[in-house]
Amino acid sequence: RKEVEQDPGPFNVPEGATVAFNCTYSNSASQSFFWYRQDCRKEPKLLMSVYSSGNEDGRFTAQLNRASQYISLLIRDSKLSDSATYLCVVAPSGTYKYIFGTGTRLKVLA
Amino acid sequence: GAVVSQHPSRVICKSGTSVKIECRSLDFQATTMFWYRQFPKKSLMLMATSNEGSKATYEQGVEKDKFLINHASLTLSTLTVTSAHPEDSSFYICSAPSPGNYNEQFFGPGTRLTVL
Repeated sequence: RKEVEQDPGPFNVPEGATVAFNCTYSNSASQSFFWYRQDCRKEPKLLMSVYSSGNEDGRFTAQLNRASQYISLLIRDSKLSDSATYLCVVAPSGTYKYIFGTGTRLKVLA
Repeated sequence: GAVVSQHPSRVICKSGTSVKIECRSLDFQATTMFWYRQFPKKSLMLMATSNEGSKATYEQGVEKDKFLINHASLTLSTLTVTSAHPEDSSFYICSAPSPGNYNEQFFGPGTRLTVL
């Protein structure tokens, strides 16, 4: 089993749609969780950290379920500019190493 | 915010040559930096942890003699791909932990290496 698993997609959604991505992780001792966004041939950029209490930033909402070992990302009112690959990132406890999921590709269609 | 730069952004070389990639933290010090490799349509894979003033720590399966890492100062880490071969062609990205929040990393823009 991979340490961090994501559905690679692509998810093709119309503008204005709501889309959700899930990510599961295998190491129960994982400490920190993030969603990064990566555009084609570019470096990853932090979208948001994921906290146990859940967090929201505008149209984006992230949730963490430690018991089931998954995190989620919800995007509301999708924009064309949201088209990208969304990377789930987990950092095990006691390290600063990032473990990346394979990413989920999102295409928002006009 | 903190910025990490990489140079060069793109390099094409012949098989057998060595290529050096630089990673710099521009407005903060980084005693630790990370080097990742990303193949097309694949995820980023951590190659090694670069430590200022000491040896790099390599992930399992990464040849330390093939990928030489030198963390010469608090703002510079270099990755040298020695005797490059076509299978080394990839996107190499470095990162440095945020000085304010060590759990958060800032990524460089990446270096695309093509070995002919």
